[in-house]
Amino acid sequence: NAGVMQNPRHLVRRRGQEARLRCSPMKGHSHVYWYRQLPEEGLKFMVYLQKENIIDESGMPKERFSAEFPKEGPSILRIQQVVRGDSAAYFCASSPDLATEAFFGQGTRLTVV
Amino acid sequence: AQSVTQLGSHVSVSEGALVLLRCNYSSSVPPYLFWYVQYPNQGLQLLLKYTTGATLVKGINGFEAEFKKSETSFHLTKPSAHMSDAAEYFCAVREGGGADGLTFGKGTHLIIQP
Repeated sequence: NAGVMQNPRHLVRRRGQEARLRCSPMKGHSHVYWYRQLPEEGLKFMVYLQKENIIDESGMPKERFSAEFPKEGPSILRIQQVVRGDSAAYFCASSPDLATEAFFGQGTRLTVV
Repeated sequence: AQSVTQLGSHVSVSEGALVLLRCNYSSSVPPYLFWYVQYPNQGLQLLLKYTTGATLVKGINGFEAEFKKSETSFHLTKPSAHMSDAAEYFCAVREGGGADGLTFGKGTHLIIQP
């Protein structure tokens, strides 16, 4: 059973471009969480999704950021019109249910130049 | 709202010495508590967790933590440090049974001196 897969591992975007980060949860996991880690900071919760539904997006910036977890395929975190402040490591985690701890992927490191 | 405070952004110990990483939390309901380790350019790996029951929790790599409700603490310890323990350690809290994501502390960088 492969772990949580995130791609790409590293992503470089120019200011104003779009960034699309992908997360394939572990097999059998229908709960997906996205976190952002800024330099020298802990992880900050962004959004929690179940298949086709956003359950909690209280940590998502109001503009430019969106997330989805379609019925088929990976979860996508989309950042439109990126700015330098979006540079961070973005981690995805998945779990099979609320009672089980989430397993983390290795992250996508986004650099905005 | 819940929060996590990790005292000491950097902790340095000698190889073979006791490791103590401090974590205090606040939560309005009984919490679930976690410790994660992160190696450079890697994701987070779960070391141990407390949900209910026994307050002394044993994890991987010889680590353990004790949930002390009266002190709202969940400090991480290891009797004898190894060089391979050098990493970033994060304490996290989740309101037990809740659907929210984890709230993380800022992390403690553990340095092992030879």
